[in-house]
Amino acid sequence: EPEVTQTPSHQVTQMGQEVILRCVPISNHLYFYWYRQILGQKVEFLVSFYNNEISEKSEIFDDQFSVERPDGSNFTLKIRSTKLEDSAMYFCATLGGNQVSAFFGQGTRLTVV
Amino acid sequence: DAKTTQPPSMDCAEGRAANLPCNHSTISGNEYVYWYRQIHSQGPQYIIHGLKNNETNEMASLIITEDRKSSTLILPHATLRDTAVYYCIVRPPGSGNTGKLIFGQGTTLQVKP
Repeated sequence: EPEVTQTPSHQVTQMGQEVILRCVPISNHLYFYWYRQILGQKVEFLVSFYNNEISEKSEIFDDQFSVERPDGSNFTLKIRSTKLEDSAMYFCATLGGNQVSAFFGQGTRLTVV
Repeated sequence: DAKTTQPPSMDCAEGRAANLPCNHSTISGNEYVYWYRQIHSQGPQYIIHGLKNNETNEMASLIITEDRKSSTLILPHATLRDTAVYYCIVRPPGSGNTGKLIFGQGTTLQVKP
């Protein structure tokens, strides 16, 4: 079964540092998403991305966050200057044009210290 | 957005059917009901979705009431590996299958030996 692959699985970073979370979507998928889940809380939508631009973003996705597909394959989430409250699991999800629902990756656990 | 209400937790004996209820009394006529699950902080996994008719796939069955104000996800023979948080989600109006998913707290299903 095809998979969405996320790297790294776990990242520890110091407050104020930049981090880039990477996602390899399922081949031929066109729609890309980032979600996050703070420990013990709900899964929250961050951003959706289609045709090389942001389709929708939540209030969480402020100027500190950015997304891109730099090489047409990987889909990345960048946090420019991490804060303690950015500590969470970050999930990438991708969707093909003929799919009924998105496939999620296994997540990256980001710990900001 | 149509809101869903689920019990916070349920238990089920291994091998028995697990019936997970969901109320979505404000659902509109063209909104689908989706079910996902999340096993121990892994990425959410799509289970099934429906509009009006009952649906069945290899994982589960979905029973939607005639007035569409509630639905039940049925795992016919629950195993220990079905222990997870189950989310009932109504897609935001106009989003189709590409729009964001809004996760609630879900139902934590504990399958017991």
